[in-house]
Amino acid sequence: NAGVMQNPRHLVRRRGQEARLRCSPMKGHSHVYWYRQLPEEGLKFMVYLQKENIIDESGMPKERFSAEFPKEGPSILRIQQVVRGDSAAYFCASSPGQFQETQYFGPGTRLLVL
Amino acid sequence: AQSVAQPEDQVNVAEGNPLTVKCTYSVSGNPYLFWYVQYPNRGLQFLLKYITGDNLVKGSYGFEAEFNKSQTSFHLKKPSALVSDSALYFCAVRGSTSGTYKYIFGTGTRLKVLA
Repeated sequence: NAGVMQNPRHLVRRRGQEARLRCSPMKGHSHVYWYRQLPEEGLKFMVYLQKENIIDESGMPKERFSAEFPKEGPSILRIQQVVRGDSAAYFCASSPGQFQETQYFGPGTRLLVL
Repeated sequence: AQSVAQPEDQVNVAEGNPLTVKCTYSVSGNPYLFWYVQYPNRGLQFLLKYITGDNLVKGSYGFEAEFNKSQTSFHLKKPSALVSDSALYFCAVRGSTSGTYKYIFGTGTRLKVLA
């Protein structure tokens, strides 16, 4: 029973480039959450998606960041025109439902912007 | 507003001794509380959760946590620490009312178990 999969595990980008982070939820899970972890800090919620729907993106920066969870395929977190401050670990979590449900986390993608 | 406090950045304990990692929370209504552990360059692993029922919750790897409503605390405990327990521990809370689903995480407590 595969857990939450994220790729790539490490991503290096130069300022101004685009970063695409992928997340495949656990089998049977239709709810996906993205969190960002800055060095030596806790995780901060970014966005919550269900298939083809963004439920809550209140934690996403207003510009350059977008997320999707298509009917087929993984969820994608896209960061356009990256800046050094985007360097962080980005974690995806999934759950089978919303209420009383534990979120299970992937291994994360560590983004480094040069 | 929901919040979580982990007052200790680091906890040191000798192997074999009991350990406690502290967590206090603030949330409207009844809380759902979670503990996760993070090893270096790894994701978060779920340890245990409190939703309702018995205040003492048992989880993975011998860990347990006690929910104390009056003190709004959810401290993580283990009777006998192992060196392999050394890691970063996160407490998280979410509300139980409809529409609340995002976890609010504490800043983490680094546990060091000394041989």
